[in-house]
Amino acid sequence: ETGVTQSPTHLIKTRGQQVTLRCSSQSGHNTVSWYQQALGQGPQFIFQYYREEENGRGNFPPRFSGLQFPNYSSELNVNALELDDSALYLCASSQPTGSLGEQYFGPGTRLTVT
Amino acid sequence: AQSVSQHNHHVILSEAASLELGCNYSYGGTVNLFWYVQYPGQHLQLLLKYFSGDPLVKGIKGFEAEFIKSKFSFNLRKPSVQWSDTAEYFCAVNEGKSNFNKFYFGSGTKLNVKP
Repeated sequence: ETGVTQSPTHLIKTRGQQVTLRCSSQSGHNTVSWYQQALGQGPQFIFQYYREEENGRGNFPPRFSGLQFPNYSSELNVNALELDDSALYLCASSQPTGSLGEQYFGPGTRLTVT
Repeated sequence: AQSVSQHNHHVILSEAASLELGCNYSYGGTVNLFWYVQYPGQHLQLLLKYFSGDPLVKGIKGFEAEFIKSKFSFNLRKPSVQWSDTAEYFCAVNEGKSNFNKFYFGSGTKLNVKP
């Protein structure tokens, strides 16, 4: 069984640029959630995708957007990068069991905005 | 919106000492509760979870947690820690009976166990 994978591992961008982060969910999972973890903080929910549609969103501006593909992999896109976007971005996949679903986390993508 | 508070940001213990990490949440409705652990260089992984039933839940590696509804708390405990328990621990909550699996995380507690 393949776990959750994310790419790239880390990247450096300049303020104002755009970035795309990728996530492959664990086998059998069709729900993907994205989290932002700033240094010294716990993960903060960005949004969740289920069956290729956004299934809920946290308190993040519209320049954070996402996609889910038919194979349940997902992308997180961030436009007009700001310095405060520097963080570890985590992807988590789960089975379609609503709130009872344990989330399986990937290793994260470390984004640095300069 | 929910919030999750972890009172201890950094805990240092010697091996064999007992551990208790505090977690409080703000939501007044039905909740599901989780503790996740992140060992150095590894992914977040589930330690234990509470959905319903016995408020004392046991997880992996000898950890347990007690849900006290009246105190909105879900504290993590281990009677005797080992050096290998050095990690960061996160308490998380989601709204029970929901189709929407959104987790609220605390800010984490870094545990350093001295050999």
